[in-house]
Amino acid sequence: QKEVEQDPGPLSVPEGAIVSLNCTYSNSAFQYFMWYRQYSRKGPELLMYTYSSGNKEDGRFTAQVDKSSKYISLFIRDSQPSDSATYLCAMSLGNQGGKLIFGQGTELSVKP
Amino acid sequence: ETGVTQTPRHLVMGMTNKKSLKCEQHLGHNAMYWYKQSAKKPLELMFVYSLEERVENNSVPSRFSPECPNSSHLFLHLHTLQPEDSALYLCASSQRGVNEQFFGPGTRLTVL
Repeated sequence: QKEVEQDPGPLSVPEGAIVSLNCTYSNSAFQYFMWYRQYSRKGPELLMYTYSSGNKEDGRFTAQVDKSSKYISLFIRDSQPSDSATYLCAMSLGNQGGKLIFGQGTELSVKP
Repeated sequence: ETGVTQTPRHLVMGMTNKKSLKCEQHLGHNAMYWYKQSAKKPLELMFVYSLEERVENNSVPSRFSPECPNSSHLFLHLHTLQPEDSALYLCASSQRGVNEQFFGPGTRLTVL
């Protein structure tokens, strides 16, 4: 079983839709959870960072962590064509010198 | 230059060649990372340098040889690679022990 599972997609939605991206994980000791966005031919950029369970909102983006279910989500409201990218979830135990475990990424396409 | 830069952006090499990838960070960080990103697979952590000391080597074949001469520069020396080593090689940096990593744009490597 992979440590982090993420549906690779591709996921295609119309502009303005609410997008839900998800990851599940197997190691209950993960404490820190991140979402990265990667545009084509670019490196990943950090989008959201959360610690332990709960929600975090930043503009149109909301990150949600449910540690009891070992499930994290990223919601994008009012999606725009500029949101078209691959979204990577990542997580960490927090005590291993910044070692991150990544999901394989979900490819999102927002159609005008 | 700002952030994390990588050169070259694209590299094609034969199996008997020797080449090097270069990474430079302008963020004042003291930890640097090499990742391999293959299609439809999660990012694979290859090497971690913290305060210029290698602290992680994820069972990477010896045909990949990292070098970190100072906290701003990281190299990946390549020799006698295999076609399955073709991938996007990403460099990242962070403050030591901090989960938030900042990535460069990557080097797209093709081994013929």
